[in-house]
Amino acid sequence: AQSVSQHNHHVILSEAASLELGCNYSYGGTVNLFWYVQYPGQHLQLLLKYFSGDPLVKGIKGFEAEFIKSKFSFNLRKPSVQWSDTAEYFCAVNLGDAGNMLTFGGGTRLMVKP
Amino acid sequence: ETGVTQSPTHLIKTRGQQVTLRCSSQSGHNTVSWYQQALGQGPQFIFQYYREEENGRGNFPPRFSGLQFPNYSSELNVNALELDDSALYLCASSNTGANYGYTFGSGTRLTVV
Repeated sequence: AQSVSQHNHHVILSEAASLELGCNYSYGGTVNLFWYVQYPGQHLQLLLKYFSGDPLVKGIKGFEAEFIKSKFSFNLRKPSVQWSDTAEYFCAVNLGDAGNMLTFGGGTRLMVKP
Repeated sequence: ETGVTQSPTHLIKTRGQQVTLRCSSQSGHNTVSWYQQALGQGPQFIFQYYREEENGRGNFPPRFSGLQFPNYSSELNVNALELDDSALYLCASSNTGANYGYTFGSGTRLTVV
């Protein structure tokens, strides 16, 4: 069965620091990849998604992610974080032949200190 | 556009009881998926409904069941509640062919005591 790993469970950064959150998946076939964010007390929101094409994907709020097929990775990046980026971030994978089911990683809780 | 609404927001049940959670999908969305998010973990796929039929199921026992209604709203039913069923239950709606434009609700927090 496919799985998604987010190796950083908790990350603490100061404002203006650069962010990179790791995401690795285990599946050799076609995948669709997502990053979701959950701000405190709010619902999951889509940050960005990759289906095909340019492996560098840009999302909302200055986030981007790079799909590296050879490494089975889809890491999330932001050059300069803000206090308002404090949230939990989830990587998710959909197998190309598995309908609409999403497999989520365990999440990374990001705290940005002002 | 309206988002996904779930009710109730919080619920406490006793082990062995049954519970029904409700979800109203976003306007224009015809597919509803349910996820279970245990504390400190990522959401896990329970099942999906499309055209009032189950259209995919995760690794959950049959005591987890659901319904979708003609207006695309949905219910999640859990029978014979166990302590481990305590979790946040998320509903997500989407439109087929919309490149997985899922919209998630805020969830129902179920506590089984």
